[in-house]
Amino acid sequence: GNSVTQMEGPVTLSEEAFLTINCTYTATGYPSLFWYVQYPGEGLQLLLKATKADDKGSNKGFEATYRKETTSFHLEKGSVQVSDSAVYFCALSDFTGGENKLTFGTGTQLKVEL
Amino acid sequence: SAVISQKPSRDICQRGTSLTIQCQVDSQVTMMFWYRQQPGQSLTLIATANQGSEATYESGFVIDKFPISRPNLTFSTLTVSNMSPEDSSIYLCSVDLAGMHGDTQYFGPGTRLTVL
Repeated sequence: GNSVTQMEGPVTLSEEAFLTINCTYTATGYPSLFWYVQYPGEGLQLLLKATKADDKGSNKGFEATYRKETTSFHLEKGSVQVSDSAVYFCALSDFTGGENKLTFGTGTQLKVEL
Repeated sequence: SAVISQKPSRDICQRGTSLTIQCQVDSQVTMMFWYRQQPGQSLTLIATANQGSEATYESGFVIDKFPISRPNLTFSTLTVSNMSPEDSSIYLCSVDLAGMHGDTQYFGPGTRLTVL
């Protein structure tokens, strides 16, 4: 079956530091890949997505590239801010059988300090 | 994207009671989903709710415990029945805007449930 593996958290960084959150996946088909973000006390927001190999998703300074050869979709940001503190979820979408089912990673908590 | 609202946003309930959570979308969607997020955990899919048909439940979830209604293309409810403290979680609905935005799911703000 499908699975998503994320790096363990929490990740603590100083403001303006470079961020990488690793995500690898296992899928039987050709999934779409997503990063969702959950700010404290809120629901999930779509951060970015990529639907095929070598696609790069980007939003709010965050980027992730769909790497089929390494089955990875690592999230990066060049300079984090305190407001980026949240839990980040990597997910894949499998459209098998005509239903769009999301498989989530365990989430990585990011804490950004001044 | 879509604007998705949930009611209630949070609740504290007594063991043995039931709570119905509502999910409203500002556009017509075919597929809606219900997820559970236990404290400090990731999201687990409870069921898929398509308008006009019975909900499809994932392994470990049953209709008697989590009955779902889907009366039209903009609304769904999830009931958490005969609650126990283990049901304390955030419950989120999501919608699939396939056909408008591909296979992306958009989430509501969640309902934070505490069972005493």
